Amino acid sequence: QSVLAQPPSVSGAPRQRVTISCSGRSFNIENNAVNWYQQLPGKAPKLLIYYDNRLPSGVSARFSGSKSGTSASLAISGLQSEDEADYYCASWDDSVNGYVFGTGTKVTVL
Amino acid sequence: QVQLVESGGGLVQPGKSLRLSCVASGFTFSDYAIHWVRQAPGKGLMWVAVIGYNGQHKNYVETVKGRFTVSRDSSKNTAYLEMNSLRREDTAVYFCVKDVDVYSTGWTPGSWGQGTLVTVSS
Repeated sequence: QSVLAQPPSVSGAPRQRVTISCSGRSFNIENNAVNWYQQLPGKAPKLLIYYDNRLPSGVSARFSGSKSGTSASLAISGLQSEDEADYYCASWDDSVNGYVFGTGTKVTVL
Repeated sequence: QVQLVESGGGLVQPGKSLRLSCVASGFTFSDYAIHWVRQAPGKGLMWVAVIGYNGQHKNYVETVKGRFTVSRDSSKNTAYLEMNSLRREDTAVYFCVKDVDVYSTGWTPGSWGQGTLVTVSS
């Protein structure tokens, strides 16, 4: 039951910048931190961005997060072939008192 | 480095039970909340449950309330997900995930295990 909406797919050429949107409501994104996860094919997800815009240790600075109101975005600059993966936004949701994930976005490098 | 290893998955009939384990290493287990997240074949991620760092706080997604129970044993650095009355729609890879924050009830899943597959089928 994904309550955070993401575009199904995004594509870009190598070295381009792409953004992934994540749309929610006041009781999730607006009032709580947004986190982003990357899932490479056949692998477990990996935390990419937490607390809206913080990078975990070891994550490339090519990834950045932002939030405004009930929407959030993940930007990937200098797109590389290794960035081909599924990306999920997520946030705590006060209305269901649980953690909710976005619908997921598949990034393709052309 | 943080390591989480799930086990206990397998094929189980509808209505039966299964217990998943998650053995942690590389961090002070008793200081962090542990989440369980699942992913049905070819589908997206779905948060299932969380147990707070000291075991007192537990929270579940509505679809598993009353059927699944989370617990932890700090003496064994292990978290558990007890699953009862399993349904076909519970078929998924189940991941255990360490929270980002110390001494938290669990708000931010951070480090993931590799997952264990649960298949509910007759």
